[in-house]
Amino acid sequence: SSELTQDPAVSVALGQTVRITCQGDSLRSYYASWYQQKPGQAPVLVIYGKNNRPSGIPDRFSGSSSGNTASLTITGAQAEDEADYYCNSRDSSGNHRRVFGGGTKLTVL
Amino acid sequence: QVQLVQSGAEVKKPGASVKVSCKASGYTFTSYGISWVRQAPGQGLEWMGWISAYNGNTNYAQKLQGRVTMTTDTSTSTAYMELRSLRSDDTAVYYCARDVFGGEYNWFDPWGQGTLVTVSS
Repeated sequence: SSELTQDPAVSVALGQTVRITCQGDSLRSYYASWYQQKPGQAPVLVIYGKNNRPSGIPDRFSGSSSGNTASLTITGAQAEDEADYYCNSRDSSGNHRRVFGGGTKLTVL
Repeated sequence: QVQLVQSGAEVKKPGASVKVSCKASGYTFTSYGISWVRQAPGQGLEWMGWISAYNGNTNYAQKLQGRVTMTTDTSTSTAYMELRSLRSDDTAVYYCARDVFGGEYNWFDPWGQGTLVTVSS
């Protein structure tokens, strides 16, 4: 399958924990990577591999995976975390193409 | 620092072609691939394809096969994406991104700043 499914919108109270999920058959074989995109800006990698954060990404961001579902968790969400979040993985059909989820708009209340 | 810098905005008529460049710096260009990703106004990210900067191998999204060509110039560490037979629904911001992949993973980091391509008569 070449589809990754995300909830279109999620909200979280300031300082609380939120989980953003991504579902797809390819996630049984490949790790997801996660990207944060703020309006008018290019996406930024926040999680890659099993659960790795690039330099400069706060440790409140973490990733996990189980079966066909990958999750991005923000523990203690901050106002600056309000953004669109996209998951990505390799396509599991064997053609090595890449695929993105449809994105989740995170609102911090 | 690792950086990708893209060419400027373009306005094209339907049926024309556009070629966007992406100049890499701060790393060994031929050690990684480049993926191209586009984002139509108000929409999500769409992966367009990948090129190996090592040997020029490509892998294109099925829906763009026949209309897109990705190339690299290793002498200038620059990747190019050409899209032909432009339609109004090709209007989007086009991003290049360094593509890192292995057995069970891939990720894109960093990304270029984006190039707005507008297709309008």
